[in-house]
Amino acid sequence: SQQGEEDPQALSIQEGENATMNCSYKTSINNLQWYRQNSGRGLVHLILIRSNEREKHSGRLRVTLDTSKKSSSLLITASRAADTASYFCATDATYDSWGKLQFGAGTQVVVTP
Amino acid sequence: EAQVTQNPRYLITVTGKKLTVTCSQNMNHEYMSWYRQDPGLGLRQIYYSMNVEVTDKGDVPEGYKVSRKEKRNFPLILESPSPNQTSLYFCASSLSGGLNTEAFFGQGTRLTVV
Repeated sequence: SQQGEEDPQALSIQEGENATMNCSYKTSINNLQWYRQNSGRGLVHLILIRSNEREKHSGRLRVTLDTSKKSSSLLITASRAADTASYFCATDATYDSWGKLQFGAGTQVVVTP
Repeated sequence: EAQVTQNPRYLITVTGKKLTVTCSQNMNHEYMSWYRQDPGLGLRQIYYSMNVEVTDKGDVPEGYKVSRKEKRNFPLILESPSPNQTSLYFCASSLSGGLNTEAFFGQGTRLTVV
């Protein structure tokens, strides 16, 4: 079953704009991760945020985590055409001792020049 | 270069003809898993392995088998493929499951069962 659910399902923006997508999950987690997938290709890890962290940055990426609301957001600043991809959140639930990742259905982002 | 290698990348087969999708990682990772990706459903885990000779079912294991005889390899076996197994398949590995470690994904295998 899906643990994480991304919102919106699709997002279309112009180069230079910021892109924000959200992820909600259902159970307590050890960490939450964001991945990017270019069309039909493998997923690439972007950033991991632990349950005791509230915000994390990596280059143009900013991730927040609110464990009280069971939600996370991914912000991509100053977007580029190369950011066109699907973005997935993945959670590692505390009830699963083997740390199995549960993925959401993803947000499809299109950045137009 | 650290990588997860899947083969083949594309496969068209007929219903009932056994097939194997191979997966190999060169990072000495303990944890490996298989996912299938279908439109609107995201990635769903099929099977995972915590270490050599230790495997367990994921969320959608029906119709699939796996084995983990060596640490680096984790093949996915479809004994009798059916059209509802047409999907995009990904193998992934990580140091120790999702527990504060990132997963590395293969490039995917697009399987069509006719």
